[in-house]
Amino acid sequence: ELKVEQNPLFLSMQEGKNYTIYCNYSTTSDRLYWYRQDPGKSLESLFVLLSNGAVKQEGRLMASLDTKARLSTLHITAAVHDLSATYFCAVDIINMNRDDKIIFGKGTRLHILP
Amino acid sequence: DTAVSQTPKYLVTQMGNDKSIKCEQNLGHDTMYWYKQDSKKFLKIMFSYNNKELIINETVPNRFSPKSPDKAHLNLHINSLELGDSAVYFCASSQDPGRSYEQYFGPGTRLTVT
Repeated sequence: ELKVEQNPLFLSMQEGKNYTIYCNYSTTSDRLYWYRQDPGKSLESLFVLLSNGAVKQEGRLMASLDTKARLSTLHITAAVHDLSATYFCAVDIINMNRDDKIIFGKGTRLHILP
Repeated sequence: DTAVSQTPKYLVTQMGNDKSIKCEQNLGHDTMYWYKQDSKKFLKIMFSYNNKELIINETVPNRFSPKSPDKAHLNLHINSLELGDSAVYFCASSQDPGRSYEQYFGPGTRLTVT
């Protein structure tokens, strides 16, 4: 059974600091997604990582994927208050029957202090 | 212009009632999903439809019945509502899952069962 584990689940950090959120998964996959959710809001797609070694950056956020280690990271550079949100990783398995199975991590609640 | 829309946004009802949530996407996507997000923010897939055909049916009670009249719509009907059904339900859509596109989420429907 595919398990997706994020850590930490809660992170409080000062503005201007750097930090990394980790997403480990238990089964072979080369498709991984990062989403952001603001309180009371829907989920917004941040990154789609489709191959080993994929790295994508958007503003102060950078995501990478290591399929051999079954690990993705979301790195935050010089955090600002606007990045406060819950971040989810999701892992995608597609088998020959085309039943696309997507499992979400429990989310990392990020709180950035001014 | 809303890509994925859900109605209603809030739903308060009593135990034992039957209710429906509607979802529509105007993105031309082939696949639609229903997710449940509980009070701890855990997000779990319930159903997935590809071109009106059920692809994924996770272990949810059979009181939950999805219906897809066409590939732009995926409705969720819930019979005999229980207290534990209280959650936020998100609809999402994506292109052919075989291409591994990210999912676009609706605004969510907050269901409260009293």
